[in-house]
Amino acid sequence: DIVLTQSPALAVSLGQRATISCRASESVRSSMHWYQQKSGQQPKLLIYGASNLASGVPARFSGSGSGTDFTFTIDPVEADDIATYYCQQSRNDPLTFGSGTKLEIK
Amino acid sequence: EVQLVESGGGLVQPGRSLKLSCLASGFTFSNYGMNWIRQAPGKGLEWVASISSSSSYIYYADTVKGRFTISRDNAKNTLYLQMTSLRSEDTALYYCARPYYYSGGYFDYWGQGVMVTVSS
Repeated sequence: DIVLTQSPALAVSLGQRATISCRASESVRSSMHWYQQKSGQQPKLLIYGASNLASGVPARFSGSGSGTDFTFTIDPVEADDIATYYCQQSRNDPLTFGSGTKLEIK
Repeated sequence: EVQLVESGGGLVQPGRSLKLSCLASGFTFSNYGMNWIRQAPGKGLEWVASISSSSSYIYYADTVKGRFTISRDNAKNTLYLQMTSLRSEDTALYYCARPYYYSGGYFDYWGQGVMVTVSS
């Protein structure tokens, strides 16, 4: 199985940039996707195919990378962005998720 | 409006069975593969099972293979997950999820989830 590694938490000031990384244990090409999960809610797709913005998602969110190293960015961070962010790969079965990065406000 | 509504969860003893349902609306259910994804309390997301639009292709996570069965009834717009030989580690919030496109591996619509607690 492909293991996706994310740092557990990140603290950022409002209005600043938040950068979350996800490293895959083997290449997933561009088959990396990002979700936001707020407390008590279901996950929401933000980015698919490494860098494509899902429908209705603000342009403050972006993604980049290919192969094994991926980055998810929020710029600027707003108070409503407090959530846990998950990467997920669909290159190989089984589909796997990272352990999530909890975004906190400084 | 796309809606996915799960039901059938609850408290069940280890070794027993439970069947989850997910009623879909707002889209042509028979055109989409569907998935179950779970989240243990305070933990991350784990893909559980997927089924193609016509039920021709079915896949399971190793952690549930041989114990869980995914199925669907396109006439009723409903996805199912039959869970047998339940273990404490199956305790989780179970989501049904629709892929962004018909059979893709990422998901733009998720239900609210249904809680399954396995405990004696």
